[in-house]
Amino acid sequence: QLQLQESGPGLVKPSETLSLTCTVSGGSISSSGFHWGWLRQPPGKGLEWTGTVSYSGSTYYNSSLKSRATISLDTSENQFSLKLSSVTAADTAVYYCARLVCSGTSCPLLFYFDLWGRGTLVTVSS
Amino acid sequence: DIVMTQSPDSLAVSLGERATINCKSSQTVLYDSNNKNYLAWYQQKPGQPPKLLLHWASSRESGVPDRFRGSGSGTDFTLTISSLQAEDVAVYYCQQYYRTPPTFGQGTKLEMK
Repeated sequence: QLQLQESGPGLVKPSETLSLTCTVSGGSISSSGFHWGWLRQPPGKGLEWTGTVSYSGSTYYNSSLKSRATISLDTSENQFSLKLSSVTAADTAVYYCARLVCSGTSCPLLFYFDLWGRGTLVTVSS
Repeated sequence: DIVMTQSPDSLAVSLGERATINCKSSQTVLYDSNNKNYLAWYQQKPGQPPKLLLHWASSRESGVPDRFRGSGSGTDFTLTISSLQAEDVAVYYCQQYYRTPPTFGQGTKLEMK
């Protein structure tokens, strides 16, 4: 059974770079047709899609992040990662990694999320 | 971006009674070419990640009880829980995937009366 697990520092200083990793077990992240993403949820608030990486390594980002996000695949470790630069307190959130579901020509731009990691809280504070 | 607005923000329902949550999109999420509504519903319990309940507005995921039903088309959608159980207490979110970026409603908190 496929499982996802986030890991990374729980505290990041303002202006620094947030780095998180999602380890996938029970399946290969490079299997054709699989796509992976990051979302975040500020405390007490709703959900925001951050970005997506496909099995081929193609990436797509939410423009609201103003080019601060970078997502990459590490097929040797069966992981994908998120880096978010120049963080501020507004980036404090629970960060989730997830598997995307899309179909046909809509892949990988139009999707919903069928498997989620448990999430990890990242606090931006000095 | 497509704005998703849920109503109400919170809802208290008695055990065994019906719960109804609404979701409205700022533009249609129905693709004419395949007649599918690009809308999903999630359930999030405290301290847990969201769980996918339905996609294509009304298709239940495997293992989701049939008391959960999705309906609607175009811009107006409803999640109905036909007979509320204690384990259904959660926050519910709708999400459109008609256009990127995918966007979520603000959530509806469902409590037991």
